[in-house]
Amino acid sequence: KAGVTQTPRYLIKTRGQQVTLSCSPISGHRSVSWYQQTPGQGLQFLFEYFSETQRNKGNFPGRFSGRQFSNSRSEMNVSTLELGDSALYLCASSKTGGPTDTQYFGPGTRLTVL
Amino acid sequence: EDQVTQSPEALRLQEGESSSLNCSYTVSGLRGLFWYRQDPGKGPEFLFTLYSAGEEKEKERLKATLTKKESFLHITAPKPEDSATYLCAVPVDWNNAGNMLTFGGGTRLMVKP
Repeated sequence: KAGVTQTPRYLIKTRGQQVTLSCSPISGHRSVSWYQQTPGQGLQFLFEYFSETQRNKGNFPGRFSGRQFSNSRSEMNVSTLELGDSALYLCASSKTGGPTDTQYFGPGTRLTVL
Repeated sequence: EDQVTQSPEALRLQEGESSSLNCSYTVSGLRGLFWYRQDPGKGPEFLFTLYSAGEEKEKERLKATLTKKESFLHITAPKPEDSATYLCAVPVDWNNAGNMLTFGGGTRLMVKP
């Protein structure tokens, strides 16, 4: 069974630009969550989607947004990039989206903002 | 506010030298605790889920245990390939729905041959 896939794996952008990251969950999984990982803040929850609806959002500015498609694939968008947005962006999928359902992570997208 | 704290931040072991990693948490009603392993430049890899105090789970050289305040990841006779960052996480209960995790800062384990 294929795992969670994320594209692209690496991105280099400049301040002020916008970026879209893509995530394909494990087949049959309906919940997709996004996390930001930085050396200083660790892993922080961004948002979670289930059946094309955003159920929860972490403490991030409105520049961070996302969506989920009917096939459960998800995208996240960051507009007006800042240097501090440089991070590893991780997508995780789970089968039912329940609070104790195991989340399986993809390899991440490494975003560098210059 | 839900909090997860891991200690130590870094741990150096000689191959074969057993030790334990700690994950302490303060949550209002624990519904589960997750352990992950993360190698540099990769996404976290799921290891265990523990649901209630007293529960234990094992996988190869790893054994996870859970009490009402903390969890331990015991590593028995580690090998260099066990070197990684180990993360623990608990579900966040903002509205009793959803699938969100609060992570600890991780323990970076280095096992030297």
